[in-house]
Amino acid sequence: DGGITQSPKYLFRKEGQNVTLSCEQNLNHDAMYWYRQDPGQGLRLIYYSQIVNDFQKGDIAEGYSVSREKKESFPLTVTSAQKNPTAFYLCASRIDRGVDEQFFGPGTRLTVL
Amino acid sequence: GENVEQHPSTLSVQEGDSAVIKCTYSDSASNYFPWYKQELGKGPQLIIDIRSNVGEKKDQRIAVTLNKTAKHFSLHITETQPEDSAVYFCAAAGGTSYGKLTFGQGTILTVHP
Repeated sequence: DGGITQSPKYLFRKEGQNVTLSCEQNLNHDAMYWYRQDPGQGLRLIYYSQIVNDFQKGDIAEGYSVSREKKESFPLTVTSAQKNPTAFYLCASRIDRGVDEQFFGPGTRLTVL
Repeated sequence: GENVEQHPSTLSVQEGDSAVIKCTYSDSASNYFPWYKQELGKGPQLIIDIRSNVGEKKDQRIAVTLNKTAKHFSLHITETQPEDSAVYFCAAAGGTSYGKLTFGQGTILTVHP
């Protein structure tokens, strides 16, 4: 059963703590992406990676960090420097061989108390 | 960078009616235009997409049209059903964007039985 998994579905953290969101895919996709969604808004790109050990900042990278040590995994760390971390976080992947379709995981809702 | 505007923000129709959602984009280099459907608390699901070398694409009750000259594209849903109620997002990518999607703000579609 191929797909993108994100865990956990809901996450609560105290202000000032770093937190890492998991994203795993078994689709053999090369490119992976992290988006943030706020109520009533579209998705905004945080970071993306086209290949293992390489990643690029998106439009709203401040206060976030990522790693891409394995093709299947692209974890996102929300640091204490992120001023407004409460949001719905979505991970996506794309095969990146002349094919444009991007597929999304189920998302993680992060609430910082 | 790319900017995508989506209208309307909310759309209410009776079951069986048609629904149309419109988007405009700013970057003439964009060449890939997907539409996503998002149900409450879930990740977006790709429902249809179109590339810039095509003017129209249909898949059963949904269709997308693209006007490259005017830089706008539209989603058409015919014979709407209550199960079509969701948030719909348009997006654009292409040129040197490396697959990065720029999303519209979303349209909340409600289909009344």
